[in-house]
Formats: sequence, structure tokens, C-alpha cells
Amino acid sequence: DQQVKQNSPSLSVQEGRISILNCDYTNSMFDYFLWYKKYPAEGPTFLISISSIKDKNEDGRFTVFLNKSAKHLSLHIVPSQPGDSAVYFCAAIGYGGSQGNLIFGKGTKLSVKP
Amino acid sequence: EPEVTQTPSHQVTQMGQEVILRCVPISNHLYFYWYRQILGQKVEFLVSFYNNEISEKSEIFDDQFSVERPDGSNFTLKIRSTKLEDSAMYFCASSEARGEGKTQYFGPGTRLLVL
Repeated sequence: DQQVKQNSPSLSVQEGRISILNCDYTNSMFDYFLWYKKYPAEGPTFLISISSIKDKNEDGRFTVFLNKSAKHLSLHIVPSQPGDSAVYFCAAIGYGGSQGNLIFGKGTKLSVKP
Repeated sequence: EPEVTQTPSHQVTQMGQEVILRCVPISNHLYFYWYRQILGQKVEFLVSFYNNEISEKSEIFDDQFSVERPDGSNFTLKIRSTKLEDSAMYFCASSEARGEGKTQYFGPGTRLLVL
């Protein structure tokens, strides 16, 4: 039962270009979404989040877009840098925020080539 | 910048043995979590802890598992009678509060290998 889906296991982008990572969810009660970045043998590092009352949140090179009607969110990284190469996880807070556990997608491995 | 720390970074144990994984959450955080990631799979929620008691647990968190906050700083996950399928990365996380708007910050993880 995949409530949070990241359908692209990998993405390769040239340095300086835009990286777009996608995430879909099935539970309409999710109301808070987060993106984490993970290097091998390290813990997930928080990147950016968005509440369901917004459709966009921006932090430096990172922008998250939320389309509630489509149950879809995306992370844009502009411009992409080689140091951005990592696995990116989308996560949602379950059931309208009444429960605190994160539900993760399977991740997308981003490779940014110089 | 405050961070979540975990010890040990690696743990190898024999099947049937007990292991204790330790975490020091961020000092002003009140909610604590354990997650795990089996190799090649997604990060899965195990348990959340608040005010010295479990607030939520997943189906994975059965009687084999227990959590404890033995003092004001440590948060531990005990796995009794480990099984081969318990081999995974175990991540501790903490947050100021729970639910929407409250980011969970993760530790570096403990890699557990059960032989």
C-alpha cells in the first residue's frame, strides 16, 4: 500500500540545469509534505516543506509545488549542482496531521553531471 | 547547529541476541521517533514517543521492540531476540512538536546487521 509514490527511481541532469523531482500521494487527508535529501550511509536531511494551504514554497534554489487536486507535488532545484547528487525522498504527514509519523516514498536518485 | 546523534554507527549481532540502539535527540525537542530502512526499500516508521510513553506505533513495532527514555537526553530502541530480517538502517528523529508544520530531524543512523 504505497500512499506516497515516487515513480522515477533515478534522474540525471546537467549541472546548471533544472532538476524536477516528482511525488504523488493517494491519501487526501495528508496536509503537510516534506522533502528530504539523503547521502549513502547518512540520515535523511530536511530540505523543504509545504503545507496543504499553499501551492508553492521557495527556499533558495529549492522550490516545492503542490497540486492538491492532482495529489501531486514536485521539487525543483535551480540551478542544479554536482553536490545535489543524492537520493531525494518525498514524505507526508499522515491523516490530517493528527498523527505525526512520516510516510515516505521510495526515493529518487538524482545525479548532477558537471 | 543542534543535531540528532546516534550510537553505534554499526552493529553486528548474532540472530537471537538483544541489541540496544541509542539516540540523543535535539535538546529542546519533545517528540522522538524511530524509523528503519531495509536495504533497497523505503524509510518506514516504527514508533513515536512523547511524554515518556509511546504515542503511535506501526505494525512493524511488535513485542520484539521497545523504546525507552532512560534519562533526560537518551532515547533507546531495544530489539529483543533479533532476526535476520531486522538487518537495516535504523534512524532516530526528533521534533519540537507533532504533525503539521513540525519538521522531524534525523540522526545519521545505525546500520544493524544480524547474522
